[in-house]
Amino acid sequence: AQSVTQLDSQVPVFEEAPVELRCNYSSSVSVYLFWYVQYPNQGLQLLLKYLSGSTLVKGINGFEAEFNKSQTSFHLRKPSVHISDTAEYFCAVSEWGGGADGLTFGKGTHLIIQP
Amino acid sequence: GAGVSQSPSNKVTEKGKDVELRCDPISGHTALYWYRQRLGQGLEFLIYFQGNSAPDKSGLPSDRFSAERTGESVSTLTIQRTQQEDSAVYLCASSLGGRGTGELFFGEGSRLTVL
Repeated sequence: AQSVTQLDSQVPVFEEAPVELRCNYSSSVSVYLFWYVQYPNQGLQLLLKYLSGSTLVKGINGFEAEFNKSQTSFHLRKPSVHISDTAEYFCAVSEWGGGADGLTFGKGTHLIIQP
Repeated sequence: GAGVSQSPSNKVTEKGKDVELRCDPISGHTALYWYRQRLGQGLEFLIYFQGNSAPDKSGLPSDRFSAERTGESVSTLTIQRTQQEDSAVYLCASSLGGRGTGELFFGEGSRLTVL
């Protein structure tokens, strides 16, 4: 079974600074990887996903993530954050051929943008 | 509709009362999930429906919780004899199930407050 670890429960960053949110996963098979964002008082929405192909994936709002198979990581990055990026970010994984079982989520990272 | 729809968006109830939360998934999505999210916490899996198969109820926290889904349509999550610790946002999500990658599409959630 797969698992996801988000090491940082909270990441404070100054506005316009770069940010990286870390995600590591474990699985015995190939995986699909996702980042979801949850703005205050809202549901989750997909930020970006890795299915296959290029390991650098670009998403909405200027975010990108890089799939590193050898390190089993899928870290999320943004070169310059804005106050509106304050939200909870969830990394998730599903296994190839196991799509029917859905996603396994990390515990989330709260990104706090300081002016 | 275009997205996952949940109702009510907010529900305040008294301890001991029963509540019903409704989820209308995206048309054509065979898989439906319920999650619970307590204040400041991650996602807690509750139950999963896939087509006409028996649901995976492994995440339901007690026998006060139950859920139904008719075919591949609307689902209802019922909490009987509510307790204060049931206060949370209940998120519903749907996906293509076995035919997909595991990507989930979330509703806005139903915020339950038990007084």
